[in-house]
Amino acid sequence: ETGVTQTPRHLVMGMTNKKSLKCEQHLGHNAMYWYKQSAKKPLELMFVYSLEERVENNSVPSRFSPECPNSSHLFLHLHTLQPEDSALYLCASSQGIGEGSSPLHFGNGTRLTVT
Amino acid sequence: AQSVTQLDSQVPVFEEAPVELRCNYSSSVSVYLFWYVQYPNQGLQLLLKYLSGSTLVKGINGFEAEFNKSQTSFHLRKPSVHISDTAEYFCAVTRSGGYQKVTFGIGTKLQVIP
Repeated sequence: ETGVTQTPRHLVMGMTNKKSLKCEQHLGHNAMYWYKQSAKKPLELMFVYSLEERVENNSVPSRFSPECPNSSHLFLHLHTLQPEDSALYLCASSQGIGEGSSPLHFGNGTRLTVT
Repeated sequence: AQSVTQLDSQVPVFEEAPVELRCNYSSSVSVYLFWYVQYPNQGLQLLLKYLSGSTLVKGINGFEAEFNKSQTSFHLRKPSVHISDTAEYFCAVTRSGGYQKVTFGIGTKLQVIP
């Protein structure tokens, strides 16, 4: 596989469930990101990992918990979510975070619905 | 802090007609500018980027954009659109150098009408 792969593509969960989103990149990049995409809003940066260390936590509620075990994998653990958390969650990767010129490569996203 | 404004939320255009999608930004420092495209049920894909040098930037699928520093704009253009260009287009900005925190616009939906 090439590029950035996200699983599952769709997820429906109740407010009391615990689930995880998975992202894997095959580009040899060393930085990975989680974004939230909601209708009629700009993409919201949630978390940034560089060389497996978290460098950004953009005021995200604790019900979202990221994990980056290595530079190719990124998880987003979800628990006790709210209906307003329903959105498309996008994973991205880039080569480095110190150079603004490195573009982001996105996965196809996980469409999350919280019931 | 930086921000991006995409004034048009939707742009309908007939097939083979030209199109311009507008993007204005604000930043107190030098910036890099990007346009990304999102096709239905997919993630975002880079169309083109401006880093420095020539203000006219050419990207994939026949798109181009022009950086205008005095007007703080980075409008996207295509001289003749195809049905396959129907998608949502996002303008983005990040500061040059240093940590890359990208700020995205709200997106413009381009609908190409046959």
